[in-house]
Amino acid sequence: KNEVEQSPQNLTAQEEEFITINCSYSVGISALHWLQQHPGGGIVSLFMLSSGKKKHGRLIATINIQEKHSSLHITASHPRDSAVYICAVTGGGADGLTFGKGTHLIIQP
Amino acid sequence: NAGVMQNPRHLVRRRGQEARLRCSPMKGHSHVYWYRQLPEEGLKFMVYLQKENIIDESGMPKERFSAEFPKEGPSILRIQQVVRGDSAAYFCASSPDPGVAYNEQFFGPGTRLTVL
Repeated sequence: KNEVEQSPQNLTAQEEEFITINCSYSVGISALHWLQQHPGGGIVSLFMLSSGKKKHGRLIATINIQEKHSSLHITASHPRDSAVYICAVTGGGADGLTFGKGTHLIIQP
Repeated sequence: NAGVMQNPRHLVRRRGQEARLRCSPMKGHSHVYWYRQLPEEGLKFMVYLQKENIIDESGMPKERFSAEFPKEGPSILRIQQVVRGDSAAYFCASSPDPGVAYNEQFFGPGTRLTVL
């Protein structure tokens, strides 16, 4: 059973700051997902990756398979980025996701 | 192309009643996952279904909970004789084909169940 750990649990930053959220897992995976959840809201998939790096707008996700570690970066953060960011992994094509507990991010103007 | 749809979005039940949660996957998706998010806790996998088959129900409580995905119509998560501890957000996700190397899942908006 994979254990997914995220850090930090809570993060408050000022607008425009560079944000990094970390995720580590215990067992080899086929893919890692970064998800975003706004308070009381649904879940949006930001990235799915199995190697290297992906970029979408101000968001960047990286993964190091050997170290079993991934990072989500937000450049030029904005208050609308305030949300819970969740890391999730899957071990195989048909597996359900195993989730971290999430990082509560607040960006202050 | 409509996304994953769930209804109702909010459901209130009294203890002992039944709750039925519906999930319509994205068009062309035949794989459905149900996840539960308890208050102040992370998301947990419950069950994975394909049309007319339960593939993995290792995350489902052994009693009172059941799921189906019939040949026609939405997937249903059914909770019998609800208790206050069942109050949670229930999310459905669908996938086009998990049999390939990647398993991209698309989430619905969730059903918030409140048990009084």
